[in-house]
Amino acid sequence: RKEVEQDPGPFNVPEGATVAFNCTYSNSASQSFFWYRQDCRKEPKLLMSVYSSGNEDGRFTAQLNRASQYISLLIRDSKLSDSATYLCVVNKENDKIIFGKGTRLHILP
Amino acid sequence: GAVVSQHPSWVICKSGTSVKIECRSLDFQATTMFWYRQFPKQSLMLMATSNEGSKATYEQGVEKDKFLINHASLTLSTLTVTSAHPEDSSFYICSARDWARGLEQYFGPGTRLTVT
Repeated sequence: RKEVEQDPGPFNVPEGATVAFNCTYSNSASQSFFWYRQDCRKEPKLLMSVYSSGNEDGRFTAQLNRASQYISLLIRDSKLSDSATYLCVVNKENDKIIFGKGTRLHILP
Repeated sequence: GAVVSQHPSWVICKSGTSVKIECRSLDFQATTMFWYRQFPKQSLMLMATSNEGSKATYEQGVEKDKFLINHASLTLSTLTVTSAHPEDSSFYICSARDWARGLEQYFGPGTRLTVT
C-alpha cells in the first residue's frame, strides 16, 4: 500500500456542484493531516489542517477516519476558482510529511 | 503571516555549472526548512530536511555532494545544485516550518531550473 494515495482524477464538476475526494494513508501512527492546493506551475498552499473531530472552513469540510485510515475533502457550491490540484499530506514521522500525487479538479462553467 | 520567498524564481544555466537557490522566511523564524523537487505532473519529492545550524538530512537517493544545503540562520536556507545536468531541470520548492505554529509547512513560490 502506498504511503499516501489519491485518485488522480481529473474530476470534472459543474460550477455550483458539491465534490468530494478521499485520500488513504498507510501509517496508522500518523498524527497530522493536511489538504494543500496547488495551481499549475505554482507552489502548494495550505488549504486546511484536518482535525480528528473534522473541521469546516467556509465551503470546505475536512474529515478524518482513523479506523479506515483516510481523510476526505468536501467542497460545496464549487467555484471556477476552485480548479486546482488538491494534495493530501500526512506526517510520516516527527517532522516529515508525505505528499500524495494530488487530485485534479476542473470546475466547468 | 508565514510568508516564504525564494530566489531566483527561474534560472537557465549551462550543463556543468552550479546554481544557488535561496529560501527565506520573511515574517517568522524557520526552525526547519525543507527542499522539494517536482517534475512535471509528478508529486513533490522531499530532497532534504535542514535544521538551523546543523547538517541537512538527505532522503535516500539524493546526492548530498551534488545538492549542497546550508541553513545558517533561522530565516535563510540555500540549495546549491553543483555541476548541473539537464536531468536536474525541475521545479525546486522550499518550505519552512516554525515549531511554534505546529507542523504546517509554508512553501516558497518555487524556482524553475532549466539546464541546457
